[in-house]
Amino acid sequence: EPEVTQTPSHQVTQMGQEVILRCVPISNHLYFYWYRQILGQKVEFLVSFYNNEISEKSEIFDDQFSVERPDGSNFTLKIRSTKLEDSAMYFCASSDGARGALNTEAFFGQGTRLTVV
Amino acid sequence: AQSVAQPEDQVNVAEGNPLTVKCTYSVSGNPYLFWYVQYPNRGLQFLLKYITGDNLVKGSYGFEAEFNKSQTSFHLKKPSALVSDSALYFCAVRAYGGSQGNLIFGKGTKLSVKP
Repeated sequence: EPEVTQTPSHQVTQMGQEVILRCVPISNHLYFYWYRQILGQKVEFLVSFYNNEISEKSEIFDDQFSVERPDGSNFTLKIRSTKLEDSAMYFCASSDGARGALNTEAFFGQGTRLTVV
Repeated sequence: AQSVAQPEDQVNVAEGNPLTVKCTYSVSGNPYLFWYVQYPNRGLQFLLKYITGDNLVKGSYGFEAEFNKSQTSFHLKKPSALVSDSALYFCAVRAYGGSQGNLIFGKGTKLSVKP
């Protein structure tokens, strides 16, 4: 069964450093997302991406964040200068949107646990 | 603003008994509702969704959910719980802020099924 894969599974970085979280969405999917889950809290939407551009972003997704689809398979989230409060589990997701994006379920990766020290 | 509420932090059930995990929502327009499950150290797995049609939706692993428009609820149910069902369950609703509509999640309910 196709799945969304994320690397690395765990990333430890020093405050102020840049990190890149990588995702390989399901191959025929058209919509890509990043969500995050701070320990013990709810899953929060960060950004959605379609047709090589950001289609929607939350207020969490400030200038420190960027996303990119550098080739036909990878989808990356970059945090330019990490802060302690960026420590969270980051989930990548994708959906095919064939029947319309709103009613299509998103498939999630296993997540990257980011720890900023 | 769209929102999802899961009023219970934890639900405890004995194996073999029926289980219900509650979810209520608030959206403008027709809701698209989803349930996801998260096992320890794993990602979110899709269980089922309600888009339109029958109010009772059947999903993976024997789970089902009932959409109730008048009560704005979408409770997750299973007739007979298994110990392996123990996990964190998230209800989510599709928002209308953008062309794709991001998912808005509830805070999650921890289901504990004891033998």
